[in-house]
Amino acid sequence: DAKTTQPPSMDCAEGRAANLPCNHSTISGNEYVYWYRQIHSQGPQYIIHGLKNNETNEMASLIITEDRKSSTLILPHATLRDTAVYYCIVRAYYGGSQGNLIFGKGTKLSVKP
Amino acid sequence: GAVVSQHPSRVICKSGTSVKIECRSLDFQATTMFWYRQFPKKSLMLMATSNEGSKATYEQGVEKDKFLINHASLTLSTLTVTSAHPEDSSFYICSARLAGFRNIQYFGAGTRLSVL
Repeated sequence: DAKTTQPPSMDCAEGRAANLPCNHSTISGNEYVYWYRQIHSQGPQYIIHGLKNNETNEMASLIITEDRKSSTLILPHATLRDTAVYYCIVRAYYGGSQGNLIFGKGTKLSVKP
Repeated sequence: GAVVSQHPSRVICKSGTSVKIECRSLDFQATTMFWYRQFPKKSLMLMATSNEGSKATYEQGVEKDKFLINHASLTLSTLTVTSAHPEDSSFYICSARLAGFRNIQYFGAGTRLSVL
């Protein structure tokens, strides 16, 4: 079973920031938080990952709470092309099956004009 | 990001035939590759993990004789659906893990299999 909890769906206005929450209250010390997204009928796309510090790249920012029990993915200026299912996944960085990506149900983000 | 190529993107076959799906990491060597399956409006389900040169590790409930996985090189893994039946119709997605500092998994575009 997935170790994360995400809202099933969210809407966001085009051009506004999209903030996608994720709860992972049982995260272990050796587990990272990964975010992927899947646009309809395509393979998942890697977005960002982090351990405990906030991270930013050209796609998004990841904010992880100090206790690491939750995180938020931020798309700073959402566009219609950001409409997708967003998956928050916790996994060990190394090591056997604990390092496999196990997908939950994700959040379906709909960006509206 | 790294590129994973999956072929074919779509295949239609008759019941009882076998179908091979190829997955290639184009610009990196992947010691570990993964195969997922996705039903309509459902999430991805991990089927198996394969390491180059060794037998695949299948998840519980996945028939190893039905879904043959070969990971012959650091850039190629194949999934063969043997004696396909309509219930095998699904979206199959491969993934390759870039070993090293970032340890990120990259995904192919998927193969839509329809068994008539």
